[in-house]
Parts: sequence; C-alpha cells; structure tokens
Amino acid sequence: DAGVIQSPRHEVTEMGQEVTLRCKPISGHDYLFWYRQTMMRGLELLIYFNNNVPIDDSGMPEDRFSAKMPNASFSTLKIQPSEPRDSAVYFCASSSLGASGGHWTGELFFGEGSRLTVL
Amino acid sequence: DAKTTQPPSMDCAEGRAANLPCNHSTISGNEYVYWYRQIHSQGPQYIIHGLKNNETNEMASLIITEDRKSSTLILPHATLRDTAVYYCIVRVPSLLNTGNQFYFGTGTSLTVIP
Repeated sequence: DAGVIQSPRHEVTEMGQEVTLRCKPISGHDYLFWYRQTMMRGLELLIYFNNNVPIDDSGMPEDRFSAKMPNASFSTLKIQPSEPRDSAVYFCASSSLGASGGHWTGELFFGEGSRLTVL
Repeated sequence: DAKTTQPPSMDCAEGRAANLPCNHSTISGNEYVYWYRQIHSQGPQYIIHGLKNNETNEMASLIITEDRKSSTLILPHATLRDTAVYYCIVRVPSLLNTGNQFYFGTGTSLTVIP
C-alpha cells in the first residue's frame, strides 16, 4: 500500500489566492482527518470525515476554509482567499476500525504533508 | 482527555536505550496511552499504545506504572534515525468522540548522538 498520499508537497502563493490541497487516504480506511501544524500552535485537528461525511469541523479556523470528501479515495482542503497566517504544514491522515469493526487501535496513518507558504 | 507532561528535550547515545517519560496523573480508567513520533519534515508515525499492561512491538516498549499516572517509552537500541519529536497522548480508543481526536502537545525532542 502506498500510504496516505498528499499533493502538492509544497505550495507558495500570494495572499488572496485560492489554495486547494489534496489527499488520497489508504484504501479501505473509512476515517479521514485534516491537521495543520505550525510552530506556534503545534498539530491542530481541523476536520474529520467518516464514510465521506464530515463529522466534526469545529477545528476549521473560519469560513475561508472548506473541506470535501466526494468519495472514499479523495478529499480536498480549500482555502479561499488565503492569508499569510495560513502558512503551515497541512497533514492528512486516515484510519479504520479494522476488520473487527470494534475496538480502535488508535493508529492514525499520516501523509507526508503539504507545506503552504502564503506571501 | 487527560493532559500529559513530557520533558521538552532529551539526548541519547547511539546504541543505548532511550527512555522517554510521560506523566499523565489525571488519566481515567478507560483512557489508553499512545505514543507517536514525528521525524523532521514527515507526518507523525504511530509507535505503540497500552492500557495498563506493558507492551512491546518491533519499534519500542511501553512501560506503564501500576497506578497508571506515568509511563515510559523505551527504544532499546537508539539509532540516528530515531531522532524525532515523541508525543505521548492519552485518550479513549474511540473514533466516535467529537472534538480533538488527538491532542499532540509539544512532545519530547529526542536527539540521538553518534
């Protein structure tokens, strides 16, 4: 398995531009998480999905941020318009309850991240 | 979820055991202890987890005190590739809870010295 795949790995854009980050979770995983990491705030959960449905988006900073999961193998995190304070590394992670469908091991599988710089 | 306290940084000689402590004095009975690590420029990586018994896998060992108020992650033979930030997280093993699924905190920055 290729693991969680994120693109782009690096993005440099100017303030006001739209940014779209993409994530392909591990096949068969039914939970998908978007995290943001900065030096000041560490790793923050933005939103997570279960079976393509957003479950908790309380971590999304403001209306400029939106996330979608149109199918089980693809998710996007969009920032429109982008601002310099959005500069961070954005991680996508996936997980599953496993074959038993019961006890969750707590293992999140993270992608390599997308480093966003907004000038 | 219970909060955890970890030293901000530690050094370890290559080939020696690295013992990373974590205090979680307010842990409740149904909360597990999880350890993740983050190597520079990579996403966090799951290491191990446990409830009250000591656990071992191919990466590390987890020792949890009898009162469960603290734990130690042991890397038996540290290598340079183990240099990373190590996060100790305490929470219930459920994906059904809303809110912050994993509060990673600031972790311990482990440097393995040649």
